[in-house]
Amino acid sequence: GESVGLHLPTLSVQEGDNSIINCAYSNSASDYFIWYKQESGKGPQFIIDIRSNMDKRQGQRVTVLLNKTVKHLSLQIAATQPGDSAVYFCAENLYGGATNKLIFGTGTLLAVQP
Amino acid sequence: DVKVTQSSRYLVKRTGEKVFLECVQDMDHENMFWYRQDPGLGLRLIYFSYDVKMKEKGDIPEGYSVSREKKERFSLILESASTNQTSMYLCASIERNYGYTFGSGTRLTVV
Repeated sequence: GESVGLHLPTLSVQEGDNSIINCAYSNSASDYFIWYKQESGKGPQFIIDIRSNMDKRQGQRVTVLLNKTVKHLSLQIAATQPGDSAVYFCAENLYGGATNKLIFGTGTLLAVQP
Repeated sequence: DVKVTQSSRYLVKRTGEKVFLECVQDMDHENMFWYRQDPGLGLRLIYFSYDVKMKEKGDIPEGYSVSREKKERFSLILESASTNQTSMYLCASIERNYGYTFGSGTRLTVV
C-alpha cells in the first residue's frame, strides 16, 4: 500500500548528525503545539509538546522551539539514528475549552542515511 | 500509558458494503476523534465526540457516521463504502489540554 511519506518534503541526514524539522502554523491564537512521529504502517506517536507561554522545551534528544512572532515551530533531533526515520508532523491546538481539536501539518519525511 | 485500540489493522471491503471501524480507549477520556490519512493530504478530521452520545462533524463527514454509546468506544461507520474511501483511518483520544493518543490505524481498501 502507499506510504504516508509519499509527496512529502524530505529531509535526508547522516546518522549521528543533528536534524532540524520546521513547521509553520496557521493561527496566532493557537496555545498548544505538539510534534508527532509516524513510522511506516503505524499511528502517530507523541514526541514532545510546548505551550505558547514557552519558547523552548527539551526532551530526551529532542528540542522544540516556538517562535510566535513568525508562527514557526521546529523540532531538533540530536545525534540522529536510523530509528528516527519516519514522518514528523506538527500540530496546533486551535480551540480551548471542552473540545480540543488539533490542526495537523502535512508532515516531513526524515530519512537517516547510515 | 493510554491505549487506543483499533480492532482491525487491515480491511478489504466491497463497494456498497456497510463498514464498521471500532476504536476503544482505556483511560476514561471524554474526547475521541476519527481521522483519515491520505498521501499528500495529511490528517483530515471526519468526526469527533466530546461525550457519550455526543458527536460533531469534522472537516470531511460526508459518507460517514459515528456512534458513541459508551465512553470508551467510538465507532466510525461507512454506510455504503466507495472506492474513494480507501484510506488509512486513525482514531485518537485526548485528555483535556493534552495531546492526542492515536491508535495504530486501520488501512481500509474498498474494491
